[in-house]
Parts: sequence; C-alpha cells; structure tokens
Amino acid sequence: GEDVEQSLFLSVREGDSSVINCTYTDSSSTYLYWYKQEPGAGLQLLTYIFSNMDMKQDQRLTVLLNKKDKHLSLRIADTQTGDSAIYFCAESVRTSYDKVIFGPGTSLSVIP
Amino acid sequence: DAGVTQSPTHLIKTRGQHVTLRCSPISGHKSVSWYQQVLGQGPQFIFQYYEKEERGRGNFPDRFSARQFPNYSSELNVNALLLGDSALYLCASSTLRGTNYGYTFGSGTRLTVV
Repeated sequence: GEDVEQSLFLSVREGDSSVINCTYTDSSSTYLYWYKQEPGAGLQLLTYIFSNMDMKQDQRLTVLLNKKDKHLSLRIADTQTGDSAIYFCAESVRTSYDKVIFGPGTSLSVIP
Repeated sequence: DAGVTQSPTHLIKTRGQHVTLRCSPISGHKSVSWYQQVLGQGPQFIFQYYEKEERGRGNFPDRFSARQFPNYSSELNVNALLLGDSALYLCASSTLRGTNYGYTFGSGTRLTVV
C-alpha cells in the first residue's frame, strides 16, 4: 500500500538542530521529497533524494535515507525562527503514472 | 518568471453549488496535478494531467472532474458541493510526465463550503 507517516509536532530551541522523521511503505518509491508549508501558503520543495542514495546535503539541510527500513529524515542545522513551518515528507510512487504521496506533516516550532 | 498561479485565492460557496478552480502552470511545464489539503492534513492526490490527457485519478468521487487545455492550463470542477469539500486546493506543475524533480506548487485556492 501507499502510506507515509510522520510525527506531528516538534519543538526545538533556536540554534539547535532539528530532526524530522518519516516512514513510508512503498518499496517502489523512486524519489523522496521534503516540502515546507508556511501558514496560508502553498508547498515549497526543500529538497529531494533519489532512492539509490543514502544521504544528500544542501547547506543547512541533510537528508538521510534508509531504504531497508523505509525511513527518511530531514536534519536542519542551526534552526532559526524562520524555519517554523509544517514539513511534509513525500514519496513518488510509480504506477501507470507518477504520483506523489504526502505524509500528514510535522509542525516545527522554533523557540527563540 | 511567473510560478504556478491559481485563481481565485479564496472562495465561499453554498452546499449543492458548483465550483471551478483554475491553474496556470509554469511556462514549459506540461504536467499538472491537483491536490486537496484539508486543514491539519497532508495533501491528497486528486488528478494528474499530462499533454491534455488524464493520466491518473485519486480516490475522489465523480463530482470531481478536471481538464487541461492546449496551453497546459487546467481547471478543477466540483459539483454538488458538500461541507467536507472545504479545503485548500493545490495545483502543481512539473516539466516531465513524472515527478522526478518534484512538483512546483501554487499558493492554492481556499474553498469554504457553508
């Protein structure tokens, strides 16, 4: 089946690292994504990782993928108040077409 | 360059009415997908169109329909609106048929059904 799960809330202090975790079920996922949604806004693609990669780093963001356990994480270094948002994990599922399945989102609160 | 544009931004409709939401993809993007995001949840897939043809459909009733025009813009139509249709409707476009490099989302249309 197709299912993506995330913890719903995370609170960190400004300057600390944030780690948002995600699990998915579809072993045929080709790409996995992290999206950010700020209040009242659409979704912003933060980063993506191909399923044959273990890690991807992009400035303050580090994505780790454990394909065996179907576990994806997003680490945000030096978390700032502007990072407060909802973060969605998503997987690209290949059927007769490609569609993206989203998790429920993790609400990140950064405490000054 | 303009991103994905959606109109209107907000809409209030009465139960039983019909609504049409519009989306213009990024120039050069031929794939458009529609998602419904109910408050507090992740987006749920409704439709995907590529080169003006429906390529995929999520688990939504037949009251939901869509189409894509020759200029790759798209409309989402919902008939016989229910209170439960109240949500943020997101349009996303991508360059390829697939979503390998991720979608670019619009800011959405906030639909409220009363």
